Amino acid sequence: QVQLVESGGGVVQPGRSLRLSCAVSGFNFNSYGMHWVRQAPGKGLEWVAVISFDGTNKNYAESVKGRFTISRDYSKNTLLLQMDSLRVEDTAVYFCARDCGSYVYDYHGMDVWGQGTTVTVSS
Amino acid sequence: QSALTQPASVSGSPGQSITISCTGTSSDVGGYRYVSWFQQHPGKAPQLVIYDVSNRPSGVSYRFSGSKSGNTASLTISGLQAEDEADYYCGSYAGSSTPFVFGPGTRVTVL
Repeated sequence: QVQLVESGGGVVQPGRSLRLSCAVSGFNFNSYGMHWVRQAPGKGLEWVAVISFDGTNKNYAESVKGRFTISRDYSKNTLLLQMDSLRVEDTAVYFCARDCGSYVYDYHGMDVWGQGTTVTVSS
Repeated sequence: QSALTQPASVSGSPGQSITISCTGTSSDVGGYRYVSWFQQHPGKAPQLVIYDVSNRPSGVSYRFSGSKSGNTASLTISGLQAEDEADYYCGSYAGSSTPFVFGPGTRVTVL
């Protein structure tokens, strides 16, 4: 079945790095844009980053631009998020999600979500 | 601070209909037909209930419907049920530089 499974979360000190992974199964990974979305404790959803189906387009929220890098490994059907220079305000549950548009460079919404992985940035 | 605005809360009795609004600008909601709506129960991942303004994904109840007029999109839940009690977020494509934005969310309470 269609499934996204995140991993890599944990507790990290401010200024350090963390890499999140999202293992994809049950659909053609090559066909869909993929997002990272986060949710701070008790807060709403915040869009973080997106990578196009072919990996050529990458976009970021202003809050993470220059610190986070999204990528995808087609050989392993895996979405990645490299998070550098972490801040306390990056503390959140991070979800990976599939865009419901295929073979497009505009984004229609997220129709498949992982269960989330928790990132805590604290000294 | 969200680029989109939603009411903080909406409530209704079982069987009633409620509508949640999502107001943006011509750079997001008003400029594209790529508005989506998500339902989130506590401790769970969000679930898509509407995409492309008014399309329902397979498996989503017919009681959920979406529309848009100008810079404001709306989600209507008809025949309100206890299981509809959740947080609802709108989202919109916002162009090539910052492709996606969420609203702040609306807490739906079934009285």
